[in-house]
Amino acid sequence: SQQGEEDPQALSIQEGENATMNCSYKTSINNLQWYRQNSGRGLVHLILIRSNEREKHSGRLRVTLDTSKKSSSLLITASRAADTASYFCATVFTQAGTALIFGKGTTLSVSS
Amino acid sequence: DGGITQSPKYLFRKEGQNVTLSCEQNLNHDAMYWYRQDPGQGLRLIYYSQIVNDFQKGDIAEGYSVSREKKESFPLTVTSAQKNPTAFYLCASRREYGYTFGSGTRLTVV
Repeated sequence: SQQGEEDPQALSIQEGENATMNCSYKTSINNLQWYRQNSGRGLVHLILIRSNEREKHSGRLRVTLDTSKKSSSLLITASRAADTASYFCATVFTQAGTALIFGKGTTLSVSS
Repeated sequence: DGGITQSPKYLFRKEGQNVTLSCEQNLNHDAMYWYRQDPGQGLRLIYYSQIVNDFQKGDIAEGYSVSREKKESFPLTVTSAQKNPTAFYLCASRREYGYTFGSGTRLTVV
């Protein structure tokens, strides 16, 4: 399987705290993407980082990429209750029609 | 607004029945994908199609079938050969590296 791994599997924090989740992948990549999924819903694209980028910001999100370690991290600063969701990293598998290959996700719970 | 529509939102199937999940997009995307999601398993690729009248098996295609007769439509049939079909099914489409997901269909075997 080409599936990657997220760490931790579950994370519980208080509102206002930062949340960091990590992702490891197996193959060389062109880019890596992060998605959010609210319970029982579809996936929402958060951010894309290209293989030649080391860090990218979008609002309260900060993504880093280390291609030598085949890993990425997603930092959500000043978390809110509305950030409660599952977060997935995904890479493109060119041998499967450029399908996204997902890790198992990190479930984030932010309590007020 | 452009997007992907999956229907129905909830679907119940009796043992031994085939059921078809609908996926329609008006984004003019060439590539479309079906994923299955089980708790704690993330998303796994069932089938994908890069162009009309062509489709390929993904990691877990056994017990599923698809068709791609129109660019806008990529229906997934869950056949009686799929022994454990209860899951959440997501459809997606792609243009370059931009992927759009539907809101999913939750299939339950009763």
